[in-house]
Amino acid sequence: EPEVTQTPSHQVTQMGQEVILRCVPISNHLYFYWYRQILGQKVEFLVSFYNNEISEKSEIFDDQFSVERPDGSNFTLKIRSTKLEDSAMYFCASSLLAGVAYEQYFGPGTRLTVT
Amino acid sequence: RKEVEQDPGPFNVPEGATVAFNCTYSNSASQSFFWYRQDCRKEPKLLMSVYSSGNEDGRFTAQLNRASQYISLLIRDSKLSDSATYLCVVTPPSGTYKYIFGTGTRLKVLA
Repeated sequence: EPEVTQTPSHQVTQMGQEVILRCVPISNHLYFYWYRQILGQKVEFLVSFYNNEISEKSEIFDDQFSVERPDGSNFTLKIRSTKLEDSAMYFCASSLLAGVAYEQYFGPGTRLTVT
Repeated sequence: RKEVEQDPGPFNVPEGATVAFNCTYSNSASQSFFWYRQDCRKEPKLLMSVYSSGNEDGRFTAQLNRASQYISLLIRDSKLSDSATYLCVVTPPSGTYKYIFGTGTRLKVLA
């Protein structure tokens, strides 16, 4: 069964450093998403991406964040200068299309720890 | 009012019991509704989409009540493996398909 994959599974970084989280969406899916979940809190939407551009972003997704699809398979989330409050689980998701009937499938997540 | 609201639980039930969760949403024009399951520190996994007519998948039944703005999940004959957090997910009105998650309802099925 096709699945979304993410690397690394755990990333530890120092405050102020840049990190890149990587995702390989399901191969025939066209819509890609990043969500985050701070420990003990709900899953929150960050950004959606379609046709090589951002289709929507949340208030959390400020200038420190960027996304890119550098090739035909990878989808990346970059945090330019990490803060302590960026510590969270980051989930990538993909869907075939965007619409009422199209479910999103989530990767296993990257746990980001900022020290 | 929160966009998506769930009772956090935990719901502790014996094996074989029937348990039901509700979830309310604030935007009456919300488009799509889902139940996801999340095990500790793992990704959300799709359990089922929720349709206006209601739908059933084995031991799981989901219902949507648009008039009262809530969705429900019924689990029959609970198994130990059903122990998890159940996430209610809603998508906003047209033009966006981002997911809005509830905080989740924790279920513990006891032997």
